[in-house]
This record gives sequence, structure tokens and C-alpha cells, in this order.
Amino acid sequence: GAVVSQHPSWVICKSGTSVKIECRSLDFQATTMFWYRQFPKQSLMLMATSNEGSKATYEQGVEKDKFLINHASLTLSTLTVTSAHPEDSSFYICSATHRGLMNTEAFFGQGTRLTVV
Amino acid sequence: AQSVTQLGSHVSVSEGALVLLRCNYSSSVPPYLFWYVQYPNQGLQLLLKYTTGATLVKGINGFEAEFKKSETSFHLTKPSAHMSDAAEYFCAVIQGYSYGKLTFGQGTILTVHP
Repeated sequence: GAVVSQHPSWVICKSGTSVKIECRSLDFQATTMFWYRQFPKQSLMLMATSNEGSKATYEQGVEKDKFLINHASLTLSTLTVTSAHPEDSSFYICSATHRGLMNTEAFFGQGTRLTVV
Repeated sequence: AQSVTQLGSHVSVSEGALVLLRCNYSSSVPPYLFWYVQYPNQGLQLLLKYTTGATLVKGINGFEAEFKKSETSFHLTKPSAHMSDAAEYFCAVIQGYSYGKLTFGQGTILTVHP
């Protein structure tokens, strides 16, 4: 299967700072990437959908000014958590797909554990 | 809108016993259904998927699932549990025809006892 890589795997930052998480498709061109958030002992919740070259579409309740998503190329999407606070501490996971897959599968990164202190 | 319900947040079985993880879905369009496994602090690995065709789907690591439209179910089974199967399992449905946009169930933690 296709490979999606996230970086970093974990990060600790101080409250009020910004953190950038990268999601890369290593062996295919990802026309669409998705960002999910997973709180402890909970399921994954979709935050936003990112299409290459266009603005991300955010799910209801997700602050677009706080969670900045950029999908500037077909192999890279970034999520920047701005002015992070302890309540933003979570596990963030990206996934990627492309039209050639005809809706049948998305490939997930290994996730990023964010801890805000 | 699509939704997924996993019955049982925790399932415990003995090694060698049958594994049954339940998933029911709600979808306004023909569903594409998935089962993923997640190990601690890791991403998701696809176990199997149903899109069209045969309703009994075989996946990796000996898992299989059967799509039952009349019951709106997609339960995951494995005849004989192994210690390495201990993980969290998520059932998911694709949202309409959005590429890769998934709605996940709440997850089921599988514990395997020796």
C-alpha cells in the first residue's frame, strides 16, 4: 500500500506557541488529505479536508484560524496549531488519498502526539 | 449523514477464542465500510474494506467481516485470537462519495488473555 509519513511523531510545546505538523505522501500524489484529532480514549474526529492548491474545508466547530492547514503540493500538507493551549493536547492523524483510488481507501500517517504545557 | 456505532467499548477474549467485534452503520447512500486497527500511539492500519461485490470480506491477520445490508451491520471476526491482536479497532464508513472522508465508530479495545 501507499505510504504516508507524519512528522514529528511527538512534540511538546509551551502554551501560546505554534506547532507545525507535516503530512507527506511518499509514493503517490495525494490530491486530498484529511486531518483528524483523537483525544484520549476517544475516536477520531475529522477536523478538515485539504485539497491541493485550494483552501481547506473545516468541519463544524473547528477553528480555522487556530488550525491552519496548507496543502501546497501534491505530496505535502501541513497543520499548524497556533497559540496552542493545553486543551489542544491530542493525537493528530492525517490521511491521504487520490482520485485513482476511486473513494475506496485512504492511507494514514502514524500520528503526532502533541502535548502543550 | 453517515454514522457508525460499535457495540462494546471493550471486548476481552482468551487466546485461541473467537473474536467478534460489532459494527452497525447508518448511511443514506450505498456504504463503503472499513475496519482499522490502532496500536498505542500509532496511526491506523487498514484491516479490510467493503466497497462492492462479495459481502464476505477477508482481510489481513486472519480477520474477516460480513456486510449485511438488511441488518446494516459489518461485524469483524477472527476464528482464533492471538496475543498480538490486542489493540483498538475502529469501524468506519466513507461519507458519501468524498474521497477518503471517513466517519469512525467509537472504537473497541480488544484484550486477549493467555
